[in-house]
Amino acid sequence: RKEVEQDPGPFNVPEGATVAFNCTYSNSASQSFFWYRQDCRKEPKLLMSVYSSGNEDGRFTAQLNRASQYISLLIRDSKLSDSATYLCVVRIGNNDMRFGAGTRLTVKP
Amino acid sequence: SQTIHQWPATLVQPVGSPLSLECTVEGTSNPNLYWYRQAAGRGLQLLFYSVGIGQISSEVPQNLSASRPQDRQFILSSKKLLLSDSGFYLCAWSGEGNQPQHFGDGTRLSIL
Repeated sequence: RKEVEQDPGPFNVPEGATVAFNCTYSNSASQSFFWYRQDCRKEPKLLMSVYSSGNEDGRFTAQLNRASQYISLLIRDSKLSDSATYLCVVRIGNNDMRFGAGTRLTVKP
Repeated sequence: SQTIHQWPATLVQPVGSPLSLECTVEGTSNPNLYWYRQAAGRGLQLLFYSVGIGQISSEVPQNLSASRPQDRQFILSSKKLLLSDSGFYLCAWSGEGNQPQHFGDGTRLSIL
């Protein structure tokens, strides 16, 4: 079993749609959680951290369920510029971050 | 603000040639530094990390080595490249604790 597993994708959605990505992790000792976005042939960029109580940043909402070892990312009112690969990232130790393989999103006009 | 620089952006090297990729961070002191490799369509694999000058930890046995000669400089090297060393190499830095990592622009390495 992979340490961090994500929806396989790809997700193809129209502009304005709401889309949700799921992620599960296997290490119950995981300490912190993040979502990154990666554009084609570019470096990953931090999108948002994920807090236990859930958190929102504009159109983006992240949720964490420690009991189920599950993380989600919800994007509302999708924009063309949201097209990217979204990486679920789990920190196991101070210098040990595990990355999911990513879920590709394409938002179409 | 902190910035991270990585070069070159792309590199084409023959099998058996040496490699040196450089990464520098500005605007912070004593960062944690990381080298990752990303194969096409796959997740990031941690290769090395460093918590201080001269301190290198290796995550996987491989044909590569890393060095940290200065606080904000991290170098990835190889004496003889293999075809399997092709990939997208990313340098990253983070602060202490549970802070996220921030990536450089990456180097796309092709071995011929």
